[in-house]
Amino acid sequence: SQQGEEDPQALSIQEGENATMNCSYKTSINNLQWYRQNSGRGLVHLILIRSNEREKHSGRLRVTLDTSKKSSSLLITASRAADTASYFCATVGGSQGNLIFGKGTKLSVKP
Amino acid sequence: SQTIHQWPATLVQPVGSPLSLECTVEGTSNPNLYWYRQAAGRGLQLLFYSVGIGQISSEVPQNLSASRPQDRQFILSSKKLLLSDSGFYLCAWSEREKLFFGSGTQLSVL
Repeated sequence: SQQGEEDPQALSIQEGENATMNCSYKTSINNLQWYRQNSGRGLVHLILIRSNEREKHSGRLRVTLDTSKKSSSLLITASRAADTASYFCATVGGSQGNLIFGKGTKLSVKP
Repeated sequence: SQTIHQWPATLVQPVGSPLSLECTVEGTSNPNLYWYRQAAGRGLQLLFYSVGIGQISSEVPQNLSASRPQDRQFILSSKKLLLSDSGFYLCAWSEREKLFFGSGTQLSVL
């Protein structure tokens, strides 16, 4: 069963602009994670935010978590062409408590 | 440091042929291992996971099977491929709640 759902499905911006992606989930969580996938490659872990945290930063990445709304957002500031990739949120779900991924947001940053 | 190797990178197979994809992890012992599949433009679907040698759990019933003959080796197999088995297959291992992925195998069944 799908736990996280990203929005929008696709996002196209100019270099230097900020990119915001959202994730909604269905059940209570211990943590929520964001991953990045370059085309034709494996996923790379970006950031993990715990249910008792509201905001977390890592370089140009800022993640927020609102457990009352069951939603999270990933903000990439001052985007670069190299940020072009798909971004996925993931939470624990399924029958055995493994990470379940959404369908992702495809970000295109134009130089 | 830990590394994960997955091969081959691409594979084209006829319908009805067998499949064997291999994944190995280095630099860690007794890792939890996972096989995910990603259909074109879709999210990741967890296929199998393993917490130890010979211990395999399946999340979704399908035409595929998995085996873990050694601590750091995870194999995805099929006796007869279907068209619907096409996709991007990713192996991963976990540490401290995070997943670390291999570079993937693009499988095309024709």
